[in-house]
Amino acid sequence: DTEVTQTPKHLVMGMTNKKSLKCEQHMGHRAMYWYKQKAKKPPELMFVYSYEKLSINESVPSRFSPECPNSSLLNLHLHALQPEDSALYLCASSQELAGIYEQYFGPGTRLTVT
Amino acid sequence: AQTVTQSQPEMSVQEAETVTLSCTYDTSENNYYLFWYKQPPSRQMILVIRQEAYKQQNATENRFSVNFQKAAKSFSLKISDSQLGDTAMYFCAFMKSPGSQGNLIFGKGTKLSVKP
Repeated sequence: DTEVTQTPKHLVMGMTNKKSLKCEQHMGHRAMYWYKQKAKKPPELMFVYSYEKLSINESVPSRFSPECPNSSLLNLHLHALQPEDSALYLCASSQELAGIYEQYFGPGTRLTVT
Repeated sequence: AQTVTQSQPEMSVQEAETVTLSCTYDTSENNYYLFWYKQPPSRQMILVIRQEAYKQQNATENRFSVNFQKAAKSFSLKISDSQLGDTAMYFCAFMKSPGSQGNLIFGKGTKLSVKP
């Protein structure tokens, strides 16, 4: 099973809402990632977790709050977002963070902030 | 800092023909890896092929092959016998080794359309 799943597929939220994106993998991977992808642009790394600990935070605004409750799950909590935060949010996982391992991507959550 | 440049924003090819997507990169690292990722419309991004910089032999995966020129810092992707399912956005990506912390540096992408 080489699958990363993400829910929901689509999300529309107002600027005062609180919502969460969910990512799950059952490949036994110990590194998980959040990326943001604007239309016709490459993915931009937001956060990296290794063994359920935050390893990298690429200077992301605090209105994005990641959480890794266990080795299979990764959440992204959203609060007080801006319209410019509308994008495709991709989750990925890899076997480990140290070394070079293929990153497996999920299908993404398309977020629209109104 | 590393940069990855894909100079062809869009390309098209006839089904069954061959197409080459170009990628150049800039780095002072000696050890690194290069990747081509494919992102079909509304579908998930998948790894197409990877190349270790220390390997002189060009990587191949079925119809996909690369032309890796380390001195020129060039990493092009050749797709042979193009199929309609190859229609996608293709991203070239760089990762230094060691110490990458999983950080893939992506190019801006090339949108490939395969026409019947």
